[in-house]
Amino acid sequence: QQQVKQSPQSLIVQKGGISIINCAYENTAFDYFPWYQQFPGKGPALLIAIRPDVSEKKEGRFTISFNKSAKQFSLHIMDSQPGDSATYFCAASIEGSARQLTFGSGTQLTVLP
Amino acid sequence: GAVVSQHPSRVICKSGTSVKIECRSLDFQATTMFWYRQFPKQSLMLMATSNEGSKATYEQGVEKDKFLINHASLTLSTLTVTSAHPEDSSFYICSARVGGRSSYNEQFFGPGTRLTVL
Repeated sequence: QQQVKQSPQSLIVQKGGISIINCAYENTAFDYFPWYQQFPGKGPALLIAIRPDVSEKKEGRFTISFNKSAKQFSLHIMDSQPGDSATYFCAASIEGSARQLTFGSGTQLTVLP
Repeated sequence: GAVVSQHPSRVICKSGTSVKIECRSLDFQATTMFWYRQFPKQSLMLMATSNEGSKATYEQGVEKDKFLINHASLTLSTLTVTSAHPEDSSFYICSARVGGRSSYNEQFFGPGTRLTVL
């Protein structure tokens, strides 16, 4: 019930291409869906987040698409750059649960120059 | 943005010793701090949630007597790994959250501490 399933596990994209990472959840009580970027040996950093009352949010080259009925959300990285090579985690949280984050399993993105 | 620091960034210790990791919110007061553990190429696993001035809430399977958490102030939480063993070797990450219902309470993560137990 608390799981967030993330795919793919790894992704290789050419520079300038679009990177797409997908997540699915079961618990309809989730009301906050952030995406984190993590470089090796570093802590995660928030990239972008969305609430279920909107279907899309864009910040620069990063876009979250949210499908409430399907209980799915995805991260799109436009014009992917080698510097985007990192591990990406989706997450979800519920108000009233101390905002504990339930993380997806992660996607290792490699952008080839 | 809000900054969370961790100290030390890396520690190597002998089996049986105790190690303390500090997590500080540098420019905000954190009503809640979280401690995570991350093994190589895996996701973050929540170990415990701590609120300032109260006992930490541990996730199922996390030994509270082994992983001692203290959240003595709104800017400092510590994780002490007692009698560390090689299987405790991992990447420990803290995060801090500003409380209140007005926001979705973004968590700000520290840079992590790499613990190696010989």
